[in-house]
Amino acid sequence: AQSVAQPEDQVNVAEGNPLTVKCTYSVSGNPYLFWYVQYPNRGLQFLLKYITGDNLVKGSYGFEAEFNKSQTSFHLKKPSALVSDSALYFCAVRAMDSSYKLIFGSGTRLLVRP
Amino acid sequence: SQTIHQWPATLVQPVGSPLSLECTVEGTSNPNLYWYRQAAGRGLQLLFYSVGIGQISSEVPQNLSASRPQDRQFILSSKKLLLSDSGFYLCAWTPIWEGKGSTEAFFGQGTRLTVV
Repeated sequence: AQSVAQPEDQVNVAEGNPLTVKCTYSVSGNPYLFWYVQYPNRGLQFLLKYITGDNLVKGSYGFEAEFNKSQTSFHLKKPSALVSDSALYFCAVRAMDSSYKLIFGSGTRLLVRP
Repeated sequence: SQTIHQWPATLVQPVGSPLSLECTVEGTSNPNLYWYRQAAGRGLQLLFYSVGIGQISSEVPQNLSASRPQDRQFILSSKKLLLSDSGFYLCAWTPIWEGKGSTEAFFGQGTRLTVV
């Protein structure tokens, strides 16, 4: 069965510092991986995805993620955090049956302090 | 461009009352549609998905049901709400075209349901 794990409930970082939100996956075959962000009482916004190709994926709002097949990881990164980046972040893997559903991790709350 | 509409944004309902949440997608055809529930502001649980009109798959047994009466309309219902049905409900869709597995899902703005 496919799954993703986000080992950190919360990540705290100072504004201007680099941030990393961790995600590991378990799939058979090649994974389709996604990152989403959620602000309070809002839907999920798509940030970036890895399908194939370059292991470093660039996305919205200056975020990027590095796909590492040997470590089965897909960590979300940003070189310089903003207070406005504070939100709930979800990693997801796509099921490759006819449902094409997204299987989400438990989410990581990012808190960027001024 | 494609858009997804979900309503209402908030809802307070008494225990035992019925529920109907609606989601519609514009600008595409034959999408895959999904209902997720988010409890306590954290994890997302897939409740139902649909790959076509009248085709509903349930992921977890529960007090809720879903229907897809039209290609781009997805409805979440309950005959009698329970306190445990409270949560944040999100509708989502995925395009259906070549390489569909590589396309991200798009989410509505959610419905905050409080059962009292």
